[in-house]
Amino acid sequence: AQKVTQAQTEISVVEKEDVTLDCVYETRDTTYYLFWYKQPPSGELVFLIRRNSFDEQNEISGRYSWNFQKSTSSFNFTITASQVVDSAVYFCALRANFGNEKLTFGTGTRLTIIP
Amino acid sequence: DAGVIQSPRHEVTEMGQEVTLRCKPISGHDYLFWYRQTMMRGLELLIYFNNNVPIDDSGMPEDRFSAKMPNASFSTLKIQPSEPRDSAVYFCASSFREGHHEQYFGPGTRLTVT
Repeated sequence: AQKVTQAQTEISVVEKEDVTLDCVYETRDTTYYLFWYKQPPSGELVFLIRRNSFDEQNEISGRYSWNFQKSTSSFNFTITASQVVDSAVYFCALRANFGNEKLTFGTGTRLTIIP
Repeated sequence: DAGVIQSPRHEVTEMGQEVTLRCKPISGHDYLFWYRQTMMRGLELLIYFNNNVPIDDSGMPEDRFSAKMPNASFSTLKIQPSEPRDSAVYFCASSFREGHHEQYFGPGTRLTVT
């Protein structure tokens, strides 16, 4: 069975601070995909990034960066110089057991950026 | 390109009534997913289709729920009869097998059953 844990339920930081959202996953599969989604106050779920299990390179996209470490089964998300528009709920998700398209979502982290 | 389209965006109905939620996936996508989101249970996968065929409906809560996909560009999720505990946001998502399987979500339908 697969499991995704986002231990941080809520985080508040002051604008321009850096913030890291933690994601720890469990799977017995050796090949899997990890994802991050953003759910802003408007409610839609927005795809941010996909990472394959065989690619441990970290990725940076503007103010966003992702740190994937298989040794600790973690896929953490860092926002640098946070902005009010970053306020949202962020979900980490796992797709494993290839042949099955199911995504296992974490419970989400609510991030509030204080102006 | 248009994203996933869902209708209605909001639905308020009385207990016992039939509710039909609609979804149009992204053109060319061959997988379609229905999710439910509540505060208590988070995001739950209800059912998903591949090439219009239901593959896994193990998340459908009970016989009151049914989903169909008559063609590649349309799917429905029906609740009959509806109950207050069905109140939630229902999301439809689609993905493309030849891509990298990321799912793209629609804006959701907020259902309130009174």
